[in-house]
Amino acid sequence: AQRVTQPEKLLSVFKGAPVELKCNYSYSGSPELFWYVQYSRQRLQLLLRHISRESIKGFTADLNKGETSFHLKKPFAQEEDSAMYYCALTGTASKLTFGTGTRLQVTL
Amino acid sequence: DTGVSQDPRHKITKRGQNVTFRCDPISEHNRLYWYRQTLGQGPEFLTYFQNEAQLEKSRLLSDRFSAERPKGSFSTLEIQRTEQGDSAMYLCASSSWTSNEQYFGPGTRLTVT
Repeated sequence: AQRVTQPEKLLSVFKGAPVELKCNYSYSGSPELFWYVQYSRQRLQLLLRHISRESIKGFTADLNKGETSFHLKKPFAQEEDSAMYYCALTGTASKLTFGTGTRLQVTL
Repeated sequence: DTGVSQDPRHKITKRGQNVTFRCDPISEHNRLYWYRQTLGQGPEFLTYFQNEAQLEKSRLLSDRFSAERPKGSFSTLEIQRTEQGDSAMYLCASSSWTSNEQYFGPGTRLTVT
């Protein structure tokens, strides 16, 4: 069975502070991991995927197979980063399994 | 707008009625997915099509639910004899067969009274 755990429902940080959104997964094979973001009143959109190893909007995420984690990080939070963030994985089937999401709130 | 579209965006129905939602994927995408999202939860997989073939169905998809993609383009999701527990956001996503990147529509919010 595949499972994604996001332990924090809400993460509140000050503008300019570092951000780390936690994601742990359970999967018996080699999964592909994603972070999706949903800004207020917008649709769910892909932020980044582990195989591309890109930095998008200053965010990065490294897949740690030993710890089965895929934490999302950004060194300096901006107000526009406030949104709902979902970690997701897919295995051999194409379906995505999502975590419950973390709301990031960036305050002045 | 060349993204995934869904219709209607909102649907209010009485318990026991049937409802049908439509999803139009990105035109060159041959994979189409349906998810359901309830308050405080992430999206949960319901079913998936590759072209017109329905390849996988979740246990969440009870007998009252049926999905079709007759010509491998748009898809419909029908819920018969709706129950209050069916109230949720129904999301559609599409992807190409070469990539696992799924692009989501805006969703249809169903409220069963």
